[in-house]
Amino acid sequence: GAGVSQSPRYKVAKRGQDVALRCDPISGHVSLFWYQQALGQGPEFLTYFQNEAQLDKSGLPSDRFFAERPEGSVSTLKIQRTQQEDSAVYLCASSPNLAGGNSYEQYFGPGTRLTVT
Amino acid sequence: DAKTTQPPSMDCAEGRAANLPCNHSTISGNEYVYWYRQIHSQGPQYIIHGLKNNETNEMASLIITEDRKSSTLILPHATLRDTAVYYCIVRVAANFGNEKLTFGTGTRLTIIP
Repeated sequence: GAGVSQSPRYKVAKRGQDVALRCDPISGHVSLFWYQQALGQGPEFLTYFQNEAQLDKSGLPSDRFFAERPEGSVSTLKIQRTQQEDSAVYLCASSPNLAGGNSYEQYFGPGTRLTVT
Repeated sequence: DAKTTQPPSMDCAEGRAANLPCNHSTISGNEYVYWYRQIHSQGPQYIIHGLKNNETNEMASLIITEDRKSSTLILPHATLRDTAVYYCIVRVAANFGNEKLTFGTGTRLTIIP
């Protein structure tokens, strides 16, 4: 079946430009996560949605980063006034909510590689 | 979440068993051990998880020591496609799918032909 998809796969932005990164989670998955992965490092948590509610945005590095999921499915991560340090791979993951369960895997998309020049 | 320690890199001959260690000496009683891997240019992929019993699935086996302070991921017959970065993650069980994953730097496993 269809997995998590992200677009674009690659994005080059000039410093100061705004960018928008899209994530299409697996249909029916309630939870959606965004992670940032710098070169040579493991992914780092940015923000989490349960349906349309953003329940945790503690990992967003600055107020230039904004995420939304207005209808509880597709999510967009927006970065305003991009800086060189924003260059990274941005990963989206979704997860189902299973009543009565106590462990869940997250399904990751392929990521969007952002390069800020 | 408990901190984990993994060797930065390992090699394994194709067809042999790959044994990837992970130390998590500060793990709490309600924390699970998860393993994910990330093949080049792809997102991380779930492999297996466990609490205290050994676990096996179609991809791998997970051996957790009795004191739960360390574990080993075993890929029984490694293939070239198993070349990836392997992450050991310890976290509280997620009852509602809302638990973020805290990745370290993982172990870069290279399968040698």
